[in-house]
Amino acid sequence: DTGVSQDPRHKITKRGQNVTFRCDPISEHNRLYWYRQTLGQGPEFLTYFQNEAQLEKSRLLSDRFSAERPKGSFSTLEIQRTEQGDSAMYLCASSPRIDSEAFFGQGTRLTVV
Amino acid sequence: EDQVTQSPEALRLQEGESSSLNCSYTVSGLRGLFWYRQDPGKGPEFLFTLYSAGEEKEKERLKATLTKKESFLHITAPKPEDSATYLCAVRAGSSASKIIFGSGTRLSIRP
Repeated sequence: DTGVSQDPRHKITKRGQNVTFRCDPISEHNRLYWYRQTLGQGPEFLTYFQNEAQLEKSRLLSDRFSAERPKGSFSTLEIQRTEQGDSAMYLCASSPRIDSEAFFGQGTRLTVV
Repeated sequence: EDQVTQSPEALRLQEGESSSLNCSYTVSGLRGLFWYRQDPGKGPEFLFTLYSAGEEKEKERLKATLTKKESFLHITAPKPEDSATYLCAVRAGSSASKIIFGSGTRLSIRP
């Protein structure tokens, strides 16, 4: 088990372009989370999946953001029409049970120019 | 609204100088309190989980404790390699579907 894997690690995109990030959780974990983190702040919750079902979304997640988890395995986070304010570290995490800790990947650093 | 507040924002210590980091929380129905360590440019690394007041966990130079309103991360005789941002987070509520983080304490240990 190599832990939570995220791809790519870094992404530079022009404003207005679409980007997609991938997350592979720890294999036996059925719960998956996406977070966003800006400099000097703690991670901010974006969305949560239990298996393939997206059960909760932050009101911070505008309609330009969409996440999927087909077949309850890997997940993708897409940002459409990127804005400079989307520049941040996007973190994925997974956990085995509802009350347990979550384990994080190394994140994808997005820079919108 | 569920909230997590960490203090201080930053802490500079001399190597060997013990101290404590504070995490205050206001939640409806705590379902777990977590401590993470985060190095620059990397994802948070899990350290401890605490579920009930009075519980304590230890790992090397770190010890986490929990009361009904706050948690402390005690660092004993720290080394320069303990320099990092330490994040506190909670699960709360009936769904417990999300983990809410504080802003972290940036710890710097001088040799």
